[in-house]
Amino acid sequence: AQSVTQPDIHITVSEGASLELRCNYSYGATPYLFWYVQSPGQGLQLLLKYFSGDTLVQGIKGFEAEFKRSQSSFNLRKPSVHWSDAAEYFCAVGPNDMRFGAGTRLTVKP
Amino acid sequence: DADVTQTPRNRITKTGKRIMLECSQTKGHDRMYWYRQDPGLGLRLIYYSFDVKDINKGEISDGYSVSRQAQAKFSLSLESAIPNQTALYFCATSDLMSSNTGELFFGEGSRLTVL
Repeated sequence: AQSVTQPDIHITVSEGASLELRCNYSYGATPYLFWYVQSPGQGLQLLLKYFSGDTLVQGIKGFEAEFKRSQSSFNLRKPSVHWSDAAEYFCAVGPNDMRFGAGTRLTVKP
Repeated sequence: DADVTQTPRNRITKTGKRIMLECSQTKGHDRMYWYRQDPGLGLRLIYYSFDVKDINKGEISDGYSVSRQAQAKFSLSLESAIPNQTALYFCATSDLMSSNTGELFFGEGSRLTVL
């Protein structure tokens, strides 16, 4: 079965600094990959998705992610973090029985 | 109104009680999912269904059962609730064929506490 690993449980960055959240997946075929964000006490919002084409995908709120098949990775990046980006971020792999990673909690320092 | 509606939103119950969480959707999607969220564990797949006649176990189906009453309705049951089933439960839908992306659309969650 497919699986997702998010190696970083918690990351702290300063406001304005760049961000990279790591995601590694295991999937037997071409994966559909997703990043979701969950703010405290809220539901899940889709940031971006990849299923084919350009391996660098752009999402909402200035986020982007790059699919690297050779590394089985789909890392999320943002060039300049804002305080409102503090949340928990989940990587997921599909498209059928969609599996999620354990999440990375992002703290933003003033 | 929300496209994916979960009821109840909050429930406190006692060990051994039967609990049903309901999910209904107006998106017309074929695929429906139940997940539970626990701190530090992310979302774990309990059951999923690709149509009314198709039900599949996920990662952690033990202690749970589901019913797909119609394309728009997918219920999760805990036949005899236990404290370690205390969690936030999410229903989600997707429509791989028309959207070709398979992204999930989530309900707002049902917080279940088993005492």
